[in-house]
Amino acid sequence: DAKTTQPPSMDCAEGRAANLPCNHSTISGNEYVYWYRQIHSQGPQYIIHGLKNNETNEMASLIITEDRKSSTLILPHATLRDTAVYYCIVRVSGSGAGSYQLTFGKGTKLSVIP
Amino acid sequence: NAGVMQNPRHLVRRRGQEARLRCSPMKGHSHVYWYRQLPEEGLKFMVYLQKENIIDESGMPKERFSAEFPKEGPSILRIQQVVRGDSAAYFCASSPVTANTGELFFGEGSRLTVL
Repeated sequence: DAKTTQPPSMDCAEGRAANLPCNHSTISGNEYVYWYRQIHSQGPQYIIHGLKNNETNEMASLIITEDRKSSTLILPHATLRDTAVYYCIVRVSGSGAGSYQLTFGKGTKLSVIP
Repeated sequence: NAGVMQNPRHLVRRRGQEARLRCSPMKGHSHVYWYRQLPEEGLKFMVYLQKENIIDESGMPKERFSAEFPKEGPSILRIQQVVRGDSAAYFCASSPVTANTGELFFGEGSRLTVL
């Protein structure tokens, strides 16, 4: 069972920032927050991950609350190609089963509107 | 640098036939993972393999499903005597070492339809 809760769908206007929330109230101290996305009919694509500090890369920013019970993925300037299902995943650190048995919930279906 | 290659992309089988799905990991990756995605569902872990070894098959159905990753050639997920409930997208992922960074590189998937 997924340890995260996400809204089933969201819309975002093209060129605007898309803010995708995720609740993970039962997260443990050694668990990271990961984001993947799945564009229609393609395999999932890694976006970003973080432990407790905010993170930014060329694709997105990840904001994690101080209590780590929730986070927000930010796509700063959404394009039509960002239309996809976005998965928030909690994963333990290290190289055990939790490192590759990623639990994908139903995610948030983001629709970027022209 | 080619990504994870899966074939066939689409496969149609009748009930009772066998399905073989192939996966070639990214160059330099020796760890392969298979996931299954049922319609309107998230991906579910099936099996983790290294060359010639099954490391974790805790997500594999107990019967009819098997996986291998031989010393030479692609990883193969084999489904014997397919049933309609096996219709799904099967994704392969790879990583250079055990995915302790949590980043798996996924292929485009193989979509199995059982008639």
